[in-house]
This record gives sequence, C-alpha cells and structure tokens, in this order.
Amino acid sequence: AQSVTQLDSQVPVFEEAPVELRCNYSSSVSVYLFWYVQYPNQGLQLLLKYLSGSTLVKGINGFEAEFNKSQTSFHLRKPSVHISDTAEYFCAVNPRGGSNYKLTFGKGTLLTVNP
Amino acid sequence: ETGVTQSPTHLIKTRGQQVTLRCSSQSGHNTVSWYQQALGQGPQFIFQYYREEENGRGNFPPRFSGLQFPNYSSELNVNALELDDSALYLCASSFAYSGGAKSGGYTFGSGTRLTVV
Repeated sequence: AQSVTQLDSQVPVFEEAPVELRCNYSSSVSVYLFWYVQYPNQGLQLLLKYLSGSTLVKGINGFEAEFNKSQTSFHLRKPSVHISDTAEYFCAVNPRGGSNYKLTFGKGTLLTVNP
Repeated sequence: ETGVTQSPTHLIKTRGQQVTLRCSSQSGHNTVSWYQQALGQGPQFIFQYYREEENGRGNFPPRFSGLQFPNYSSELNVNALELDDSALYLCASSFAYSGGAKSGGYTFGSGTRLTVV
C-alpha cells in the first residue's frame, strides 16, 4: 500500500516570491510520482510527473520537482509565483509495473498568491 | 487529441435515488479509473477498468458499480444514494500495454459535481 503526506495544508505567499510545496510518500514498492493542480470548481490538471531518469522534473507553468529516493520526497517548486498560480495542489503516487492503476493522493496544499 | 470528457457537469439527486455518471476516455487510452473527491479532500480511488473488466477497487461499497464499453467510454453507477455521496466525481483515463503494464500517464476529466439532498 502507498500513502502520501503533504506537509502543509495552506501556503500563503506574495506574488513573485519563490514557493516550495512539500510531499513525502511511503511505499513498499517503487512508484511513479505526480503533481496535479486543481483550480476552483475544476478537475485535475497534470503539472509534472516522474517516471524514470533525471530526478529533476520540469513541468508546465514554470514548476519543477525533485525526486529524492532516500528521503522519499517529491517537493514542488517555482522560483517566482503569479496570482494565477492560486489553486489547490495535489501530490500523488502510483506503483510501478503490473496493472494497478490506483493513484494515491495527498490531502492537498492550498497555494494562495497575494499581491 | 481529445481529452477526457464527463457528463453531466452538475447533478442534484434525492437520498435513496440512483445515478449514472458518464466518461469518454482520451483518444488512444484503454483504461479508466473513477475517483471521489469530497469537499476539502484529495481524490479517493473508487475502481478501475481495463478491457471492460474491473481490475482494481478501492474501499467503496458494492452500490458503487461501473462499466467500460468497447469504445473505452465508461459509466459510474451509484445506487441508494446517501448524503455522504455528495462529492466531485472524477474520471481518469490511461494507456496500458497488452500485458497490462502502465505507461505512467493519467488524464483527468473536469468532473461531475453530485449533490445528494
């Protein structure tokens, strides 16, 4: 079984400041890792994913994340945020291999970007 | 390529009624999963379908059931609705190779907001 912990339920920042949203996971098997963004009253949009290869993954809208296997973390970062980045962000994992497609999500981090 | 489309976008039902939600998978995808997202929570896995068969289920009672059709579209059916079933229901599609191995990509629809009164 897998579990995901998003360490901050809310992160307020000022516009143009850097931000880091933290995600730790637990799994007995190797996993794929994902970050999704959800704007109010909308579905989930994929920001980025780690499947294999380089541990630094770049995504859309200037976001990036780094996979740290020893610390079982996959923190999301952006060097300069915009008002439009205000949204809920979800970290998720899925076991590698086999036919188990279940994504296990964290509870989400609400990023609020203030002017 | 087309994305994942869900219908309807909003729905209000009375406790005890039955509901059917629909999902069209992204072009080229052959697996579909359904998730329930209660207010203020992360999505919770309901079940997944591959080759028209359920091959994974989360901690949801049997009154939650589904279908996957030959064109890879899908339905989620919920019987005997309860107030706690009020949530955003999300469909996600993906591609699996012939042996079932995953490609690692999931595309979500915009969801159906179900309100049970």
